[in-house]
Amino acid sequence: AQKITQTQPGMFVQEKEAVTLDCTYDTSDQSYGLFWYKQPSSGEMIFLIYQGSYDEQNATEGRYSLNFQKARKSANLVISASQLGDSAMYFCAMREPYKLSFGAGTTVTVRA
Amino acid sequence: DTGVSQNPRHKITKRGQNVTFRCDPISEHNRLYWYRQTLGQGPEFLTYFQNEAQLEKSRLLSDRFSAERPKGSFSTLEIQRTEQGDSAMYLCASSPPPRYRANYGYTFGSGTRLTVV
Repeated sequence: AQKITQTQPGMFVQEKEAVTLDCTYDTSDQSYGLFWYKQPSSGEMIFLIYQGSYDEQNATEGRYSLNFQKARKSANLVISASQLGDSAMYFCAMREPYKLSFGAGTTVTVRA
Repeated sequence: DTGVSQNPRHKITKRGQNVTFRCDPISEHNRLYWYRQTLGQGPEFLTYFQNEAQLEKSRLLSDRFSAERPKGSFSTLEIQRTEQGDSAMYLCASSPPPRYRANYGYTFGSGTRLTVV
């Protein structure tokens, strides 16, 4: 069963604007973790941000913030002030309980 | 912290040949994971080691696939009698014991891209 759903295959965003990437998840565990990774064309997986299920505050890391809505089981990534270097594939993932399960990803293209 | 190293970066092989990939995790990381990623998709879990013990294998890991982690250090992933459907990026990741980092500290290598012709 699909545990991580990313419904946006691709998105275009204008440089300096914000973009929101959607992620919904399915789990019956009370303790879990949600991650966002960036994968540029070079192939490496770059960790962006983490949200624990018991964290009361939404996670933020520089230009990245995670909009965590536990009741809706969603963990959307917001990238503020987009840069050309943000063009990449973005994956939402959930820890269960030690391995990561990934969504299908969203391709983001930043336009100048 | 020198990162997770994977070799080779690229491998082209003929159908039916055997291939072996190597992953060197971060030295203090006791957990090691293998994933497979096909074009345009997210990584899919293959197998997981804690120290030298292989604790879980995905159903994706057919009998032609075998992974080892002798002495709990580097790991190898071997594919026997390769098929065209095995063409993918094979990613390795490692993580320390959970108590070390709140975000579990998963670190990925750059992957080995396999092409079966």
